[in-house]
Amino acid sequence: NAGVTQTPKFQVLKTGQSMTLQCAQDMNHEYMSWYRQDPGMGLRLIHYSVGAGITDQGEVPNGYNVSRSTTEDFPLRLLSAAPSQTSVYFCASSLLRSGGGAREQFFGPGTRLTVL
Amino acid sequence: GDSVTQMEGPVTLSEEAFLTINCTYTATGYPSLFWYVQYPGEGLQLLLKATKADDKGSNKGFEATYRKETTSFHLEKGSVQVSDSAVYFCALSMYYGGSQGNLIFGKGTKLSVKP
Repeated sequence: NAGVTQTPKFQVLKTGQSMTLQCAQDMNHEYMSWYRQDPGMGLRLIHYSVGAGITDQGEVPNGYNVSRSTTEDFPLRLLSAAPSQTSVYFCASSLLRSGGGAREQFFGPGTRLTVL
Repeated sequence: GDSVTQMEGPVTLSEEAFLTINCTYTATGYPSLFWYVQYPGEGLQLLLKATKADDKGSNKGFEATYRKETTSFHLEKGSVQVSDSAVYFCALSMYYGGSQGNLIFGKGTKLSVKP
């Protein structure tokens, strides 16, 4: 199993450009999510999905779009990049339903994005 | 809303010192609690977890006990190593009727261990 994979690892954009951060998992997890990590802020949830065709907003969704057409893939789109979106982005996945409490979320290696 | 507060860093210790990183939470129900670790340049990985009051999670010499009465989940290790240098995140997740909730993270505590 590759686990959770993210591409690219690094990206530099100019203000106003658009791009898609890719995330894929091969564990058949229903739940997938995107976080951004900023210094002194911890990780903040951008969007999440509980299954193909179902997405919802997290704490900081503005400026980002997501879709979930398959169980495996959960891309994050920046429609018009802004310097405030300079951050490290992490994708994570987990089982959705289980007994015995919340499940571990598995994280990808991250994408470091700089917007000039 | 639900939240997690953990001690500010950075924390610098000598090898073989005792480590405590404090974590307290606010939640309307009964969350599951987690400690994640992030080594330099990597993603987060689960260190340990506890799903109900008085549970103790443990892994790699680290321990944390879910204390409902003090709403705490402090991370401890008796003797740290240089390889433990990383950022540690406390997190909670609510669990509704058999379904996963979103993770809510603390701001992270950077630990540096000197030889």
